[in-house]
Amino acid sequence: AQKVTQAQTEISVVEKEDVTLDCVYETRDTTYYLFWYKQPPSGELVFLIRRNSFDEQNEISGRYSWNFQKSTSSFNFTITASQVVDSAVYFCALSYGLGSMIKAAGNKLTFGGGTRVLVKP
Amino acid sequence: DAMVIQNPRYQVTQFGKPVTLSCSQTLNHNVMYWYQQKSSQAPKLLFHYYDKDFNNEADTPDNFQSRRPNTSFCFLDIRSPGLGDAAMYLCATSRVKVGGHQPQHFGDGTRLSIL
Repeated sequence: AQKVTQAQTEISVVEKEDVTLDCVYETRDTTYYLFWYKQPPSGELVFLIRRNSFDEQNEISGRYSWNFQKSTSSFNFTITASQVVDSAVYFCALSYGLGSMIKAAGNKLTFGGGTRVLVKP
Repeated sequence: DAMVIQNPRYQVTQFGKPVTLSCSQTLNHNVMYWYQQKSSQAPKLLFHYYDKDFNNEADTPDNFQSRRPNTSFCFLDIRSPGLGDAAMYLCATSRVKVGGHQPQHFGDGTRLSIL
């Protein structure tokens, strides 16, 4: 069974502080993908990053960075120098396929419960 | 520029009165998904289409149906909405690619209220 846990339900910071969102996952698959999505108050889910299970390199994109550690089944997300526009709910998700890696197919997402980030000016 | 478009943005219906939510995409993606998201919860997958193949989640109530008349459009029909069906409904699409799970692209959602 697939499971994603985001232990922090809400984090409140003051602008320019760093904030780290934790994500822990469970899966029996050896091949899987992890995603982070942002959901601002307007409601749409915005894709931020995808990482496959074979690639444990950390990634940085502007003020965002991600730390993937397979040994601890974690895929944590850090926002550096937070801004008010970062206020949103952030979801970590685990993807498992509808078909095999050989057969092209869509994928299903198991979402964590989400972490609400509130950045105060 | 919107690539996954959901209409309407807000929908109000009466208890028991059928309602249809629509989703269209300009991405030409093979897979389209419908999610239900209740307040302060994660999105929950209701069903998805892979091309014309419909795949229902085991715990999706019979009250929820879907149609995909062509690649671009997908509809969510709620036959007899109950108060518990009030939620945000999100449509998403993804591209099919051998050997890789592609990101899902979401619409802005339709917020459904039941009177």
